[in-house]
Amino acid sequence: SQKIEQNSEALNIQEGKTATLTCNYTNYSPAYLQWYRQDPGRGPVFLLLIRENEKEKRKERLKVTFDTTLKQSLFHITASQPADSATYLCALENQGGKLIFGQGTELSVKP
Amino acid sequence: NAGVTQTPKFRVLKTGQSMTLLCAQDMNHEYMYWYRQDPGMGLRLIHYSVGEGTTAKGEVPDGYNVSRLKKQNFLLGLESAAPSQTSVYFCASSPRATGGADTQYFGPGTRLTVL
Repeated sequence: SQKIEQNSEALNIQEGKTATLTCNYTNYSPAYLQWYRQDPGRGPVFLLLIRENEKEKRKERLKVTFDTTLKQSLFHITASQPADSATYLCALENQGGKLIFGQGTELSVKP
Repeated sequence: NAGVTQTPKFRVLKTGQSMTLLCAQDMNHEYMYWYRQDPGMGLRLIHYSVGEGTTAKGEVPDGYNVSRLKKQNFLLGLESAAPSQTSVYFCASSPRATGGADTQYFGPGTRLTVL
């Protein structure tokens, strides 16, 4: 069955640095992959979607890469700010057509 | 637009009690979902609906029932609550078209504790 792995350890970085979060998956190769942001006590919010034929996608300070050979997506936040502190979830569609989510990686940006 | 709303926000139940969680969306989305989120487990799909009057089982459906009588509402029922159902429940909707990407919009969640 499809599995998604995100680094369960929290990522702590200094304001202004680039944060890089990793999402690895096994088995079935998805047609696209998504990233969501979740703040404490709130529901996830969609950020970016990248398709299998796209190597890279950007939105303001966010950048996502998708390597179907390595079965990995990287999520970058450049010039990070304390307001970027949140948990970031990776999600992809499994063979049954259902979206499955990783456990998420908690990012903490210190001023 | 309010987006996706959930009622109630918090609830405490005793083992064996029943309750219904209500999800409403005002975006005219066809697809709706119920997830539970537990520490270290991520989001797990309970049940989902691909349109009014339809429901289907997700990854962890046991102990839950759902109904989608109206397009904008999706109800999640617990007939006899168990402590293992203590969790945060999220509803989501998506405008997914056939063959399209399933980008989901989430509600604020319901925190349920079963004693």
